[in-house]
Amino acid sequence: SQQGEEDPQALSIQEGENATMNCSYKTSINNLQWYRQNSGRGLVHLILIRSNEREKHSGRLRVTLDTSKKSSSLLITASRAADTASYFCATENTGTASKLTFGTGTRLQVTL
Amino acid sequence: SAVISQKPSRDICQRGTSLTIQCQVDSQVTMMFWYRQQPGQSLTLIATANQGSEATYESGFVIDKFPISRPNLTFSTLTVSNMSPEDSSIYLCSVRGGNGYTFGSGTRLTVV
Repeated sequence: SQQGEEDPQALSIQEGENATMNCSYKTSINNLQWYRQNSGRGLVHLILIRSNEREKHSGRLRVTLDTSKKSSSLLITASRAADTASYFCATENTGTASKLTFGTGTRLQVTL
Repeated sequence: SAVISQKPSRDICQRGTSLTIQCQVDSQVTMMFWYRQQPGQSLTLIATANQGSEATYESGFVIDKFPISRPNLTFSTLTVSNMSPEDSSIYLCSVRGGNGYTFGSGTRLTVV
């Protein structure tokens, strides 16, 4: 079953603007990961943040994690048309074998 | 990170037939994961495949419907048996790397 809820479900912005996606989860986690999926193809790993970390950066990506609120956010700065994709958060949960539980996803559309 | 070759990339199948999806990894891995992504939805884990033992299925998925083989540490197959239109989905395999998971490019299955 899905653990994460993502918000918004869909987001449309113009090139150059920032995009923020939020993820909430329900159980205790070891880490939280973000993935991108272009047009129903395979997923690409973007970033992993561990449960003892609060913020992480990778290029134009910034991820925050608040374990007290069981939530995470992904910020994409200075968006480009090539960022158009679906974005999923996924958690590896405490006490379970290695596997990912995915959120519902956010569809991002970046227009010129 | 590992590279996964997944095939076929897409297929259109008649109801009542079966389709076998293959994933080849360029390195040895202990566990391989199989996911289903129904149209417009997120990913749901079907099963975890370990070499030398039976796959572990998630709630709602059974071996008779989704038999899995794992003959060695670099290869796995998932069969979708006795297909119905409700099986139309993207199926993806995945392996865990050092800092996240790598996914195959997916198999888009349409059952008519």
